[in-house]
Amino acid sequence: GAVVSQHPSWVICKSGTSVKIECRSLDFQATTMFWYRQFPKQSLMLMATSNEGSKATYEQGVEKDKFLINHASLTLSTLTVTSAHPEDSSFYICSALPLAGNTVEQYFGPGTRLTVT
Amino acid sequence: AQSVTQPDIHITVSEGASLELRCNYSYGATPYLFWYVQSPGQGLQLLLKYFSGDTLVQGIKGFEAEFKRSQSSFNLRKPSVHWSDAAEYFCAALYNNNDMRFGAGTRLTVKP
Repeated sequence: GAVVSQHPSWVICKSGTSVKIECRSLDFQATTMFWYRQFPKQSLMLMATSNEGSKATYEQGVEKDKFLINHASLTLSTLTVTSAHPEDSSFYICSALPLAGNTVEQYFGPGTRLTVT
Repeated sequence: AQSVTQPDIHITVSEGASLELRCNYSYGATPYLFWYVQSPGQGLQLLLKYFSGDTLVQGIKGFEAEFKRSQSSFNLRKPSVHWSDAAEYFCAALYNNNDMRFGAGTRLTVKP
């Protein structure tokens, strides 16, 4: 149980285009999902917290107009990288916090590798 | 700001040897503590977690970790390392139920 998927697993796009990454909780509902970014050989940095039905909360230094987050349902959150540039190339990982069970444990997706050329 | 420190960027051990990976969290209310493992190009796999109770927690793949409040530490251990354990290991702390902080990671290399 508690499986989180991400789609696509990897994507290559041209500079200036936009890319959408999906994060789904497959067997549970999640009011809160988190988006992390991981540069090569570095740790995960929280980008934003996504709450179903409301605006995402972005961490300091993360451009909300560049990284659009939508959490339209209890099982889906999307991250859209707008007007992507090579410096946006990174590994993006989402996690989901189950609605039920009063748990604080986040379940992580497998990640999406974005390469901007 | 809350933070997690993993002092060792890279550790090399021989197969069959014991392993200890260090982790310290910033002082304050005890957060929930986690250890994750990440293979190249993969997502995170939870090894174990500490919420409360017994300070020695057992995880998957033969790993264990000990929470020491006096040292603000949550070190990961394994008595005998296998070649398949080579990966990146992340310690994480969850503060205030929604603020997850990761350490910088420790890369484990296993020598045959």
